Amino acid sequence: KAGVTQTPRYLIKTRGQQVTLSCSPISGHRSVSWYQQTPGQGLQFLFEYFSETQRNKGNFPGRFSGRQFSNSRSEMNVSTLELGDSALYLCASSLVTSHSYNEQFFGPGTRLTVL
Amino acid sequence: KNQVEQSPQSLIILEGKNCTLQCNYTVSPFSNLRWYKQDTGRGPVSLTIMTFSENTKSNGRYTATLDADTKQSSLHITASQLSDSASYICVVSSIEGNKLVFGAGTILRVKS
Repeated sequence: KAGVTQTPRYLIKTRGQQVTLSCSPISGHRSVSWYQQTPGQGLQFLFEYFSETQRNKGNFPGRFSGRQFSNSRSEMNVSTLELGDSALYLCASSLVTSHSYNEQFFGPGTRLTVL
Repeated sequence: KNQVEQSPQSLIILEGKNCTLQCNYTVSPFSNLRWYKQDTGRGPVSLTIMTFSENTKSNGRYTATLDADTKQSSLHITASQLSDSASYICVVSSIEGNKLVFGAGTILRVKS
């Protein structure tokens, strides 16, 4: 069974640009969560999608948005990039919602560098 | 405020030795607690997931314990190997708000 895949793996952008990251969950998984990881802040929850609906949202500005498609694939978009957006963006999938008693599988992440 | 605190922040041990990582939480109402291992530059990998009724859970050389009364968990690594060098993250799930609360992690380095 294929794991969670994320594309691209690495990305370099400049301030003010926008970026779209993609995540394909494990087949059959309906929940996709997104996280931002920086050395100083650890893992920070961005949002969770379940059956194309946003179920939860973390404390990030509106520049961060996401969506989920009918095949459970998900994208997240960051507009008007800032230097502080440089981070590892992780996607995780699970059968049902992330907080319930079922395993959450993480992808390898997308390393975003904003210059 | 829902929080998860891990200690120590970092740890260096010799190959073959045992070690124990700690996780204290204030998350309530509690649903489950997970331990993840994250190698540098990679996504976290689940080691264990425990509900309040589970006191101990093992995954190979990794053994997690949970005391729901004191809101403490530990991850014990037996006979450490160089490949155990990683960040270990404790995550607690709350029924309320349907959210996961992440600890900052413990960075473990195993030396030969």
